[in-house]
Amino acid sequence: SYVLTQPPSVSVAPGQTARITCGGSNIGSKSVHWYQRRPGQAPVLVVYKDSDRPSGIPERFSGSNSGNTASLTISRVEAGDEGDYYCQVWDSSSDRVFGGGTKLTVL
Amino acid sequence: QVQLVQSGAEVKKPGASVKVSCEASGYTFADYYLHWVRQAPGQGLEWLGWINPHNGATKYAQNFQGRVTMTRDRSVSTAYMWLSRLTSDDTAIYYCARDEGSTSCFDYWGQGTLVTVSS
Repeated sequence: SYVLTQPPSVSVAPGQTARITCGGSNIGSKSVHWYQRRPGQAPVLVVYKDSDRPSGIPERFSGSNSGNTASLTISRVEAGDEGDYYCQVWDSSSDRVFGGGTKLTVL
Repeated sequence: QVQLVQSGAEVKKPGASVKVSCEASGYTFADYYLHWVRQAPGQGLEWLGWINPHNGATKYAQNFQGRVTMTRDRSVSTAYMWLSRLTSDDTAIYYCARDEGSTSCFDYWGQGTLVTVSS
């Protein structure tokens, strides 16, 4: 089965840039999606197809994907960005796969 | 606007079964696959499977084969997820999520249903 690896936690000061990685074998050949889950709320799609943003998601959220690592970058981080972030792909053997999640803390 | 509204919290004893519903509105129910995803306390998101509301076809994650059943009722635009032989490890928030279609992502999610398994 396909495995996605994320760092358990990332901490950043307000106004700085947060980068959350998602590692997987040749993940650059797959389409990666990112979800934000704030405490007590359902997940929200923040980036899809590696780098596209759904309507209503601020431009501060961006994504990239190459080789064995995909990344979600959040610029000018705000307190409201705190939460857990998950990457997700489709894999031919496992269908939908999620990374283990990364807790973003705004210091 | 697209909405997925799930049924309320459940408390079940070990060995029992649970049914969670997901009522869709704001779009044509039959046109988009619906998936089920769960999150156990302190754990990440885990995919359970999908159902094609158009014809009822299903696919389940290997970890849940034999224990999960997904159905739908097109007349009320509602999908259902049954999970049997519950253990404490099944205590989790269960979400339904709409498959966007062309990109394999989940563009809309239900509010979640807490299922607690306790003796």
